[in-house]
Amino acid sequence: TQLLEQSPQFLSIQEGENLTVYCNSSSVFSSLQWYRQEPGEGPVLLVTVVTGGEVKKLKRLTFQFGDARKDSSLHITAAQPGDTGLYLCAGRNVTGANSKLTFGKGITLSVRP
Amino acid sequence: GAGVSQSPSNKVTEKGKDVELRCDPISGHTALYWYRQSLGQGLEFLIYFQGNSAPDKSGLPSDRFSAERTGGSVSTLTIQRTQQEDSAVYLCASSFDRGANEKLFFGSGTQLSVL
Repeated sequence: TQLLEQSPQFLSIQEGENLTVYCNSSSVFSSLQWYRQEPGEGPVLLVTVVTGGEVKKLKRLTFQFGDARKDSSLHITAAQPGDTGLYLCAGRNVTGANSKLTFGKGITLSVRP
Repeated sequence: GAGVSQSPSNKVTEKGKDVELRCDPISGHTALYWYRQSLGQGLEFLIYFQGNSAPDKSGLPSDRFSAERTGGSVSTLTIQRTQQEDSAVYLCASSFDRGANEKLFFGSGTQLSVL
């Protein structure tokens, strides 16, 4: 079983602050995705990273895939209340056409106005 | 439809009853997934369909759980003789393209409460 550990589990910050959250595993992944989920809704894909060391930016969000493809980080600059939600990382294993995504437990982010 | 549709959005049932949860994927999406999300837990994989067949059923917790997909479209997840530990949000997702860049589109889920 490939486990993804996300940290911190909960984070409450003031609007305008910066933050970084993490997704770690002992397993190597062929790709890793970050999703955001709001209450009462399903997760929505934010980004997919495929190459070790890859950095992708989505407005104020910066995603990095570790060099060894075992971990990832999400950095948010100048957080806004609209960034509030559950952030899930999901890794896909390196073998098999029928490989499936393994999700972490998520990080609950609350941004106070 | 424009997105993945799940029904009902909420289901309250008594322990021991059977329930059926429905998922309408995005038109043309060949892959369909069922996940379960419990409070404080991540998404737990249940089953994956490619067309009407299920190459991976490894996540179904027990033989009380079953799922089918017909016409390469609608899928039904059935839970027989429900137990309180079955209470969770059941999420369905569909995708068009398998592989490392596969993008899953999720429905809003069915909140199942077993009393």
